[in-house]
Amino acid sequence: DVKVTQSSRYLVKRTGEKVFLECVQDMDHENMFWYRQDPGLGLRLIYFSYDVKMKEKGDIPEGYSVSREKKERFSLILESASTNQTSMYLCASSVTVIRANVLTFGAGSRLTVL
Amino acid sequence: ELKVEQNPLFLSMQEGKNYTIYCNYSTTSDRLYWYRQDPGKSLESLFVLLSNGAVKQEGRLMASLDTKARLSTLHITAAVHDLSATYFCAVYLETNAGKSTFGDGTTLTVKP
Repeated sequence: DVKVTQSSRYLVKRTGEKVFLECVQDMDHENMFWYRQDPGLGLRLIYFSYDVKMKEKGDIPEGYSVSREKKERFSLILESASTNQTSMYLCASSVTVIRANVLTFGAGSRLTVL
Repeated sequence: ELKVEQNPLFLSMQEGKNYTIYCNYSTTSDRLYWYRQDPGKSLESLFVLLSNGAVKQEGRLMASLDTKARLSTLHITAAVHDLSATYFCAVYLETNAGKSTFGDGTTLTVKP
């Protein structure tokens, strides 16, 4: 089974801190994604990547950046955390098989910014 | 901009009953996914629907896709408590840089 591992399940940070959320997948998937999930707003795509060193903005990239130096690792960076970035962050990966791009999600990282 | 709407957003039903969750989307697509999220857990893939008229079934859940109507349904037959979860549909568009856009999710509670 594909595993997508997010390094931290729960984080508490202070406003203005720099935050790194790490995601590693072990099945050689080309595509990796960062979503945030908020009550009443569903899942919203922050950034995604189709290859090493490539990144694409999603629907809500403001206040975030990403890094993909290795195929298996996709990091989400909050340069200066703010309280409105308190959320559940979900990493996902996929590979195109018979036209299907099924997402495999990590367990999530719940970030609280005080 | 692609919009994906699910209804209902909340569904409380008795065990043994049938019900349908609807997923409407605004732009032509022939790829639609259903995911399940248990409370406190992450999302897991349920179904992949890749063509008009596609129907997939697993246990008490059956999903279908009508690309002409831009509608997918997730039908629950004889619900049991274990089906309590949040169900998301997601639409994939090649022209949307290969992104999947999710609906807001339907939270299903099955009561004894």
